[in-house]
Amino acid sequence: SQKIEQNSEALNIQEGKTATLTCNYTNYSPAYLQWYRQDPGRGPVFLLLIRENEKEKRKERLKVTFDTTLKQSLFHITASQPADSATYLCALALSSGNTPLVFGKGTRLSVIA
Amino acid sequence: DVKVTQSSRYLVKRTGEKVFLECVQDMDHENMFWYRQDPGLGLRLIYFSYDVKMKEKGDIPEGYSVSREKKERFSLILESASTNQTSMYLCASTTGSQEKLFFGSGTQLSVL
Repeated sequence: SQKIEQNSEALNIQEGKTATLTCNYTNYSPAYLQWYRQDPGRGPVFLLLIRENEKEKRKERLKVTFDTTLKQSLFHITASQPADSATYLCALALSSGNTPLVFGKGTRLSVIA
Repeated sequence: DVKVTQSSRYLVKRTGEKVFLECVQDMDHENMFWYRQDPGLGLRLIYFSYDVKMKEKGDIPEGYSVSREKKERFSLILESASTNQTSMYLCASTTGSQEKLFFGSGTQLSVL
């Protein structure tokens, strides 16, 4: 069966450290993968997109990797700050045509000062 | 600033009432989506639309219907609200390539 999983429901890290969140999928052929940030009581906000032929993408303190052999994406936040505390969602866009994105359940990140 | 606007942030309704949730986008996007989000269950797709007057069922369409009479507006209808439809409802829109979804702020619906 098809699955998309984010490695943990919650992750606590100390301020200044690098946070690493994982998104694994099975039985999908994604054309690209996206990461979103969601604050409590708000809608998700797009952060980054990485395509199947890209290994890595960066935006300021954010870095995303995409390994189609391992069927995994890693999302890194370097020099993390308490303001980075939020839920982070990964989403797959399938190669099979015009079908909706498939979302993971999210990882709630808490950065402790 | 691009915007997806949902008509209400909080809504309280009675069991059996007909409920309308409205969503308007100002980006001329073709695609619009309705999700519900519950703790531990993540985002679940209810209905989506890739064009005016077009609609497709998502993963959990039972108990819901939708309307898209104009490109910018996508309405979610709960024909007869039930307590298990208490949830956060999120509307989203995007272009045909779906390379970036824009979400509204959400409507927290409570059905009593």
